[in-house]
Order: sequence, then structure tokens, then C-alpha cells
Amino acid sequence: DAMVIQNPRYQVTQFGKPVTLSCSQTLNHNVMYWYQQKSSQAPKLLFHYYDKDFNNEADTPDNFQSRRPNTSFCFLDIRSPGLGDAAMYLCATSRVEGNTDTQYFGPGTRLTVL
Amino acid sequence: DAKTTQPPSMDCAEGRAANLPCNHSTISGNEYVYWYRQIHSQGPQYIIHGLKNNETNEMASLIITEDRKSSTLILPHATLRDTAVYYCIVRAMDSNYQLIWGAGTKLIIKP
Repeated sequence: DAMVIQNPRYQVTQFGKPVTLSCSQTLNHNVMYWYQQKSSQAPKLLFHYYDKDFNNEADTPDNFQSRRPNTSFCFLDIRSPGLGDAAMYLCATSRVEGNTDTQYFGPGTRLTVL
Repeated sequence: DAKTTQPPSMDCAEGRAANLPCNHSTISGNEYVYWYRQIHSQGPQYIIHGLKNNETNEMASLIITEDRKSSTLILPHATLRDTAVYYCIVRAMDSNYQLIWGAGTKLIIKP
């Protein structure tokens, strides 16, 4: 089945130690997104790629970076994780068709910062 | 800020229809109504979306009022697995792909 895959599902890192989360998709969608979701809160968009074009949300900290080497893969790099970065990180994809699109989410990676 | 208002929580008996309301009184003519749900510790799941007409798929029905200021998501025969937070989102294609999430409705299906 076509899907959005996130690895790992659980990631533990130390304060200040760089970490990379990965996302892959078999849907051949042209847009990929990264969201941060903290406990009992709604998801918050960090950035998205429309094909190769990177779009950063204005309030996304510089500590968060992203790479999309090809259509199928997208990475979230946290350069120096702080305790406040502990959260669920969600990857989503969509295909723009006409004047609408639908985002499909992966299962998420839960990040713990020690 | 979210453009939708939903009740924070609702209960529904297993096997009955769950009707989840959403107010979006400031919706624009080019904005769609989307519904997602999020089961505990999982990624959000797309349910359905619509612009003006009522929509139905294998998961749910979406009823949009004629003035488009409110809508109702209907799960026709709720099961325990439908317990989740349900998010109603309005979105236009010129919104820089942003989904503006509200607080959602915590739906609890009771046996």
C-alpha cells in the first residue's frame, strides 16, 4: 500500500546532540511537510517542500533544518536539541490537484531529549 | 488563529451515529472544510473534505449548511476504534499549504 513512512518511531537524544529524523513516501506526492506536535496540542507546521522549493514558517527556530534529496525522501535535522524540542514530529505529503490537495500523515517520530 | 470552533469533547454509544459539529462562520468562498482525526499517539488521519455540497465516503459523511457557516461530520455506526480527537479545518489553496488546526473535539465511544 502507498504510504508515508517515518523512521525511527521513537528517538532519544541528549541535550545539544544533533539528531536527524527521516520520512519517505511511496505516494509520489510533490509536497512534503514537517510538523511538530507537543502533548495535548494540535500539530504545528515547521516547513514544507513544494517539489524542491523549501518554505519555512516564520516562527520556525533556526535550530530546525530540512533536506529533500529526492521526491521520496525528506529529513528533519535538529542541530542542537533542547528540552523544549521534545515532541512528536509528523511528516505529511500531498499532491496539488486543481484547487485542492489532501495531506496524508505518517505515524510520527516521538523525540525524547535527555 | 484557527477559523473553526468545535466542542472540546463528546461521548457517543457504540453502534450509534456520532455527529460532530463545527462552526466556521468566517469561511471564505474559496475555502474548503477538511476533517482529520488523530487516534492517541498516531499521526492524523484524513477523513473527508468538501466545499459546498454534502460529501460521503467509506468513513463518514460531511454535511455543510447552505450558508457554509457550519458543518457536521457524521460517523454512521461508531465503534470503539473511532475514539480520537477530531479536527475541523478550513483551508484555501492560496493559504501557503498551511492547515490551521483548532483544538479539536475529543470523541469518546462508549460500549
